[in-house]
Amino acid sequence: GAVVSQHPSWVICKSGTSVKIECRSLDFQATTMFWYRQFPKQSLMLMATSNEGSKATYEQGVEKDKFLINHASLTLSTLTVTSAHPEDSSFYICSATQRNTEAFFGQGTRLTVV
Amino acid sequence: AQKITQTQPGMFVQEKEAVTLDCTYDTSDPSYGLFWYKQPSSGEMIFLIYQGSYDQQNATEGRYSLNFQKARKSANLVISASQLGDSAMYFCAMRETDSNYQLIWGAGTKLIIKP
Repeated sequence: GAVVSQHPSWVICKSGTSVKIECRSLDFQATTMFWYRQFPKQSLMLMATSNEGSKATYEQGVEKDKFLINHASLTLSTLTVTSAHPEDSSFYICSATQRNTEAFFGQGTRLTVV
Repeated sequence: AQKITQTQPGMFVQEKEAVTLDCTYDTSDPSYGLFWYKQPSSGEMIFLIYQGSYDQQNATEGRYSLNFQKARKSANLVISASQLGDSAMYFCAMRETDSNYQLIWGAGTKLIIKP
């Protein structure tokens, strides 16, 4: 199956700093990428949808100034958590899809803000 | 109203037994797709199986099969001959036609296989 690489797998950062998470589709061009947040023992919560070359569409309640998403190419999307705080600690996971195919997921990033 | 419902928060199953994970859905879109994903403790989401709303036959992928009952709006995942490595969270998801390829997720079922 298609491969989506997410980096880093885990990160610890200090409160007030920014963290960038990368999501790459390695062997296909992803027309659409999704960013999710997952709290322990819960389902995936969609944060935003990004289409290459256009601004991301954020879900209600997600602060677009805090969670910056850039989808600069058909193989790369980034999520930057700006001025991170402990409440931003979570598991973030991206997925990529190529039109009407199943979504392929990255490995996820465990973010801990201390 | 919930669009995807997984009524089993957790299940224990003896190794080598078959297991059925329930999923019901709600949509008025005549064209939709149903997915099952596995999430082990490491966190990655692993695609298992897909069923399209117009597919005539139930999808199968190795030990995984999808019991698709369209009239009942149910898409249960059946794992035959369960293995210890099947222990994980399992999520059912739906994609509707006009959704920009977004998936709607169920709450998940935690499956534990006992040796």
